Amino acid sequence: NAGVTQTPKFRVLKTGQSMTLLCAQDMNHEYMYWYRQDPGMGLRLIHYSVGEGTTAKGEVPDGYNVSRLKKQNFLLGLESAAPSQTSVYFCACGDGGRVEQYFGPGTRLTVT
Amino acid sequence: DQQVKQNSPSLSVQEGRISILNCDYTNSMFDYFLWYKKYPAEGPTFLISISSIKDKNEDGRFTVFLNKSAKHLSLHIVPSQPGDSAVYFCAFSSGTYKYIFGTGTRLKVLA
Repeated sequence: NAGVTQTPKFRVLKTGQSMTLLCAQDMNHEYMYWYRQDPGMGLRLIHYSVGEGTTAKGEVPDGYNVSRLKKQNFLLGLESAAPSQTSVYFCACGDGGRVEQYFGPGTRLTVT
Repeated sequence: DQQVKQNSPSLSVQEGRISILNCDYTNSMFDYFLWYKKYPAEGPTFLISISSIKDKNEDGRFTVFLNKSAKHLSLHIVPSQPGDSAVYFCAFSSGTYKYIFGTGTRLKVLA
C-alpha cells in the first residue's frame, strides 16, 4: 500500500520546455489535488478533481493543465515552462467522507 | 487578500516544554480547521483537526484550540520532543474539500 506516489522526484527544465508530472494513489479516493509550495507562501492549490473525468481550477491555475482519465491518476502538465514555475509540487488525495488530505512526497522542479 | 496568517515563521522550544503554534484567519465561513506537519523532503502529513462546532480537540500530546470569536486557531504540543521538529501548517476548509493553507511555522525542539 504505497498511498500517494509522485513521478519524477526531481526535474530541471529549460524555459519553454514542456513536461508532465504524474500522481498515483492506491487509496481509492475520489478527490485529487495539485499544490505548489514556494518559500514563505505555504501551499497553494493549482487544480483539483472531484472524480474521474473531472477537473477544476484552484487558486493559481495559469500555465498548468491537468487530466484525470483514471480514478487513481492525476496528471499535471506544463506546456511551456517559465522560471516562475520553479517550485515544489505536491499531489494529494482525499475521501469525500473525510476532510483530511493525504500528500505525496513532492516533485522539485527547477526551470532555468 | 490573506485569509490565513501564521505570524511566527519559526519557534524554538526546549525538550519537555510546551510548544504553541498559532494561526489567525479572517473568513467566518471556514468550518473545518486542520494542522499538518511537514518534514524536509517529504509531503505534509495530517496531524489533528477540529470542526467549527467545537473549541478543543485532543489527540495524545497534541491539542488544537479554536476561538471563533477571535478567529484564532492554536496547536499545543506537550511535552515537546526532538522528533516534533518540523514545519507546521494550519489549513482551513469551508466545506468544499478545498483547503487554504497558512505559510507555516518551523518548530525546533532543543534536546
